[in-house]
Amino acid sequence: NAGVTQTPKFQVLKTGQSMTLQCAQDMNHEYMSWYRQDPGMGLRLIHYSVGAGITDQGEVPNGYNVSRSTTEDFPLRLLSAAPSQTSVYFCASSYYVGGSMNTEAFFGQGTRLTVV
Amino acid sequence: TQLLEQSPQFLSIQEGENLTVYCNSSSVFSSLQWYRQEPGEGPVLLVTVVTGGEVKKLKRLTFQFGDARKDSSLHITAAQPGDTGLYLCAGAGPGYALNFGKGTSLLVTP
Repeated sequence: NAGVTQTPKFQVLKTGQSMTLQCAQDMNHEYMSWYRQDPGMGLRLIHYSVGAGITDQGEVPNGYNVSRSTTEDFPLRLLSAAPSQTSVYFCASSYYVGGSMNTEAFFGQGTRLTVV
Repeated sequence: TQLLEQSPQFLSIQEGENLTVYCNSSSVFSSLQWYRQEPGEGPVLLVTVVTGGEVKKLKRLTFQFGDARKDSSLHITAAQPGDTGLYLCAGAGPGYALNFGKGTSLLVTP
């Protein structure tokens, strides 16, 4: 009963380092998305995907890359980490329930990233 | 991107009290969802409202969607410490992703 799995749970990076945050879902959902959560800011959309091979930018995409080669996996890459990217990152997968934009999203437990 | 405003930002109450949190937008929601997030966890969907004037109940939680579909409220009756968490409203974003409000942080003390 895995749902959405994010790894790692915690990470400390030095400024300028790169890394990949992993996200995998086992529910065969078409839609996946990445969010960052900062104190007092709610969750902000970084990138999203509506299916394998299709990705697009959200509200705060700068400094992040994504790819979606399979339905199950949606990794988020930080190209050159900056202290401003210190945040908690959540991956979600969702499916279309029906009606007007009615989807149900399932979230991973998050990755807490600190850039020093 | 549709702007969702939540109020209050913080709420600290004692067990047994009632409370209401609000989610407002200047534009019409196609649908609206409420999520609860506990510390160290991802958000979990509580309810989806779609029809103007709709009321949904989930045990002690009552969700209401405004007639004009521009606002929603979450009312908790007789709050318990287990209700502590961050309550987030969300509307439809691009590509079936979500557009979140900033959340209401609720603390219920025994």
